[in-house]
Amino acid sequence: QQQVKQSPQSLIVQKGGISIINCAYENTAFDYFPWYQQFPGKGPALLIAIRPDVSEKKEGRFTISFNKSAKQFSLHIMDSQPGDSATYFCAASNYGDDKIIFGKGTRLHILP
Amino acid sequence: GAGVSQTPSNKVTEKGKYVELRCDPISGHTALYWYRQSLGQGPEFLIYFQGTGAADDSGLPNDRFFAVRPEGSVSTLKIQRTERGDSAVYLCASSPGIGEGEKLFFGSGTQLSVL
Repeated sequence: QQQVKQSPQSLIVQKGGISIINCAYENTAFDYFPWYQQFPGKGPALLIAIRPDVSEKKEGRFTISFNKSAKQFSLHIMDSQPGDSATYFCAASNYGDDKIIFGKGTRLHILP
Repeated sequence: GAGVSQTPSNKVTEKGKYVELRCDPISGHTALYWYRQSLGQGPEFLIYFQGTGAADDSGLPNDRFFAVRPEGSVSTLKIQRTERGDSAVYLCASSPGIGEGEKLFFGSGTQLSVL
């Protein structure tokens, strides 16, 4: 049973466009929802995270939108740049349980 | 060190052999995690330590996998009788303590190839 489902598997966006990656979860006990960015040959790095008490969080060009009733959250990358080309993972965990559950990832390619 | 260090970066072994993968966490981080990432997949939790003790080892796939952290710093993931299906990137991460997931940092991983 996949607890965190991510889509699409891959995404191609023109430079300057908006990249949108979606994630759905099943466990209502989850209360921490991070997004990680991973470049080839490197480990994942935390990009931005949200807790369910807010519906949106913005940091620079990156925004998480969170819909608790639908058990969905998404990552929006505004003004996408070639340097944003990477694999993005949504994830979830329970407060106090540091076992983070990852989605399968989205390979994002920004065309120059 | 400045970040989580994992050695070796690549390990090639033959089916049935024993391997050890090392993780050196960020100095002062008491929580240490091991994940496994298969090709084209997200990281999959294996085990995490708080100090010297394994707080949760529910992700270890079977008894061929074992991890230790004897002094609460460096950790070693040990795999006995390796199988081709064990081929993956093994990632280590550390954080200042339990409940500080926002401060979780990953190493670059060890690429294990079992021939």
